[in-house]
Amino acid sequence: AQKITQTQPGMFVQEKEAVTLDCTYDTSDPSYGLFWYKQPSSGEMIFLIYQGSYDQQNATEGRYSLNFQKARKSANLVISASQLGDSAMYFCAMREDSGGYQKVTFGTGTKLQVIP
Amino acid sequence: GAVVSQHPSWVICKSGTSVKIECRSLDFQATTMFWYRQFPKQSLMLMATSNEGSKATYEQGVEKDKFLINHASLTLSTLTVTSAHPEDSSFYICSARDVARYSNQPQHFGDGTRLSIL
Repeated sequence: AQKITQTQPGMFVQEKEAVTLDCTYDTSDPSYGLFWYKQPSSGEMIFLIYQGSYDQQNATEGRYSLNFQKARKSANLVISASQLGDSAMYFCAMREDSGGYQKVTFGTGTKLQVIP
Repeated sequence: GAVVSQHPSWVICKSGTSVKIECRSLDFQATTMFWYRQFPKQSLMLMATSNEGSKATYEQGVEKDKFLINHASLTLSTLTVTSAHPEDSSFYICSARDVARYSNQPQHFGDGTRLSIL
């Protein structure tokens, strides 16, 4: 079974509008972390936001917020006031903390295109 | 903040050549580093976990003799693609986490290496 599922291969959003990128995960580990990374066409992975499994509040970082619904095992990324520079691939990832090396598993990604 | 440096950023070489890629943590110690491979328009696939002072842990389906990993110090891990062939052409990216800091610290990634085998 996939540990991280991103069901949207591609998304379009109008500039200045908000957009939600979906992510669901699967783990039996009680302690885990969820991440979102942005990968522009140049290839580097840019960390955006983190949510820990025990965090009570949804994480926010500037225009990024994470809609964490633990019972549903979802961790959707919300980008407010989209900008042209937001066009990129976005990856949801999970780190399971009980394993020895705490490796991170990535979803298949969502390609976001912001339209002027 | 924590930074991971990866070198080289781009390699073009002939089939049969061995290629070494370096991954350095610049301002923190990383007992564990991770090596990923990414094909065009696909996700990052974990190849192996590099452990300082011990053997790397490879993911299922990854050839140990093909992708040699050495993690000789707390700040450096190397991936050597031995006798590379065109099918090894890909984007290779490393990451590390500063385990001395809080658990919410993300893995920091190098900028990746684009490997093209002719």
